[in-house]
Amino acid sequence: DTEVTQTPKHLVMGMTNKKSLKCEQHMGHRAMYWYKQKAKKPPELMFVYSYEKLSINESVPSRFSPECPNSSLLNLHLHALQPEDSALYLCASSQDSSGLFNYGYTFGSGTRLTVV
Amino acid sequence: KNQVEQSPQSLIILEGKNCTLQCNYTVSPFSNLRWYKQDTGRGPVSLTIMTFSENTKSNGRYTATLDADTKQSSLHITASQLSDSASYICVVRGTNSGYALNFGKGTSLLVTP
Repeated sequence: DTEVTQTPKHLVMGMTNKKSLKCEQHMGHRAMYWYKQKAKKPPELMFVYSYEKLSINESVPSRFSPECPNSSLLNLHLHALQPEDSALYLCASSQDSSGLFNYGYTFGSGTRLTVV
Repeated sequence: KNQVEQSPQSLIILEGKNCTLQCNYTVSPFSNLRWYKQDTGRGPVSLTIMTFSENTKSNGRYTATLDADTKQSSLHITASQLSDSASYICVVRGTNSGYALNFGKGTSLLVTP
């Protein structure tokens, strides 16, 4: 299995809703990432999990709450989002996060989130 | 500051024609460079990954080149198909940058009948 699977593919939520995005990989990768991508822009890093521990939080508002239940799963819990949070949310994984080795980066197909 | 610049910003070509996309970077020390294809509303899909010692790598109709001395890479698409219409993103990883990826802004390619 060489894929990163994200669910759901599409999500519409109100500003008072609580929802979660899910990401799963079975490649044995020990680093997992959440990115946010607005239309016609490159992805922006939100969170990095390394060996199931949060190692990087790129000053993301607290209405986004990541969780890594085990080495294969990564969740992003959403609460009280704003319309400007509407974007494509991408999960990615890599062998590790050190960058010292030429390990690939695998992206999921994304969740298109619309906040109304 | 590590930068990745891509050109052209957008490109329209006729089906069956070839095209070449460019990527210049300042990331140093360099670890690897990857070209991704991203369809609208979908996640990026890796086309090739190149390390310092590699000059050329092919994946079907896609051929990537790398000149690590001049810090330039190109992606050549041969005999384009309508399904090649997408954004092509150059991503560079440095050896000292850990988790960080340096993304280009992408080239938007439209292949027309």
